[in-house]
Amino acid sequence: DVKVTQSSRYLVKRTGEKVFLECVQDMDHENMFWYRQDPGLGLRLIYFSYDVKMKEKGDIPEGYSVSREKKERFSLILESASTNQTSMYLCASSVPTGGNEKLFFGSGTQLSVL
Amino acid sequence: AQRVTQPEKLLSVFKGAPVELKCNYSYSGSPELFWYVQYSRQRLQLLLRHISRESIKGFTADLNKGETSFHLKKPFAQEEDSAMYYCALGSTGRRALTFGSGTRLQVQP
Repeated sequence: DVKVTQSSRYLVKRTGEKVFLECVQDMDHENMFWYRQDPGLGLRLIYFSYDVKMKEKGDIPEGYSVSREKKERFSLILESASTNQTSMYLCASSVPTGGNEKLFFGSGTQLSVL
Repeated sequence: AQRVTQPEKLLSVFKGAPVELKCNYSYSGSPELFWYVQYSRQRLQLLLRHISRESIKGFTADLNKGETSFHLKKPFAQEEDSAMYYCALGSTGRRALTFGSGTRLQVQP
């Protein structure tokens, strides 16, 4: 079974800190995604990557950046954390099938910015 | 622009009652629709997709292009169906899925 692993389950950071969220998948998937999950808002796409060193902005990229130096790893970076970035962050991966792909999700990182 | 609307934040039913979780979408092209589910303390996972036309755990969903809907239905709810359900839209023009805001289903004994 596909395994998507997020390095931290819970993270507490201070306003202004640089934060790295790491995600690794073990099934050689081309696509990787970062979503944030907020009550009442559902999942919103931050960034995604369809190949090594390739990335595209999602719906809410402001305040975030990403890095994909290796196929299996996709990092989300908060350059200067703010309290409105307190959220559950979900990483996912998939094999591209033209819009019909099945996403495999990690267990999430609950980030609190104080 | 693509959009997915799930009008109910919470749906509470009794065990054995029918369930319908509503999903409407906005997309001008040919859509791919999915339902994802997140049980308590578990990761989000695919429940079903319209292209498969399958029934998973007794749930079915039919794509109605005229009404732009993809409602999730089950004739007899079970307590283990209690979870958060998300409707999602895929398209060839965008590589990532667009999710709705989710509906929490509570099945009471």
